[in-house]
Amino acid sequence: EVHLVESGGVVVQPGGSLRLSCAASGFTFNDYSMHWVRQVPGKGLEWVSLITWDGGTTFYADFVKGRFTVSRDNSKNFLYLQMNTLRTEDTALYYCVKDMTPEYTDYDFESWGQGTLVTVSS
Amino acid sequence: DIQMTQSPSSLSASVGDRVTITCRASQSLSSYLNWYQQKPGKAPNLLIYEASSLRNGVPSRFSGSGSGTDFTLTISNLQPADFATYYCQQSSSLPLTFGGGTKVEIK
Repeated sequence: EVHLVESGGVVVQPGGSLRLSCAASGFTFNDYSMHWVRQVPGKGLEWVSLITWDGGTTFYADFVKGRFTVSRDNSKNFLYLQMNTLRTEDTALYYCVKDMTPEYTDYDFESWGQGTLVTVSS
Repeated sequence: DIQMTQSPSSLSASVGDRVTITCRASQSLSSYLNWYQQKPGKAPNLLIYEASSLRNGVPSRFSGSGSGTDFTLTISNLQPADFATYYCQQSSSLPLTFGGGTKVEIK
């Protein structure tokens, strides 16, 4: 069974930095592209970033480009999101999400973690 | 960016009803459209991918249709477990985008 567990969400001041982690298990992690998706509590869903299964290619939503960096450690089955220059509008629940097809990026969000809450506030 | 418009934003229905939710894209997606169900306090759950393919384990009362810019999620014989918020998501091109959601409530 696929298991994704996010951690690292805390309260941080505007302009601060944070690193989110996602521990993956129950599947061959290095075969799947992974995403971060966020949701302001009570609001809709926003795709944040994507990293291909081999870590060779990354993509970002414009609203985080240049501030956030996605990475992965396939030897440890971990996904990361380094968040810099945080803004109040980055406050959200951040989900770690697994793509559907192995060794192919199909943009289908097959499995989700339970999320970690990031609050940016002074 | 591709804009996704869902309608209605909310609806009230009774157990046993047939419910239809629509999603319109600002440009053609071919069939690259997914549907998710989200219950309060839980992560979204993929129901339908590529417009009409039912994910393994999802009840057959859920169905999807459409192509191009107009898509539909239908729930036939609505069950108590189906009261939730539903989102469409385009998987055609980056950046990936979602519809605003449709909340299905009990009448």
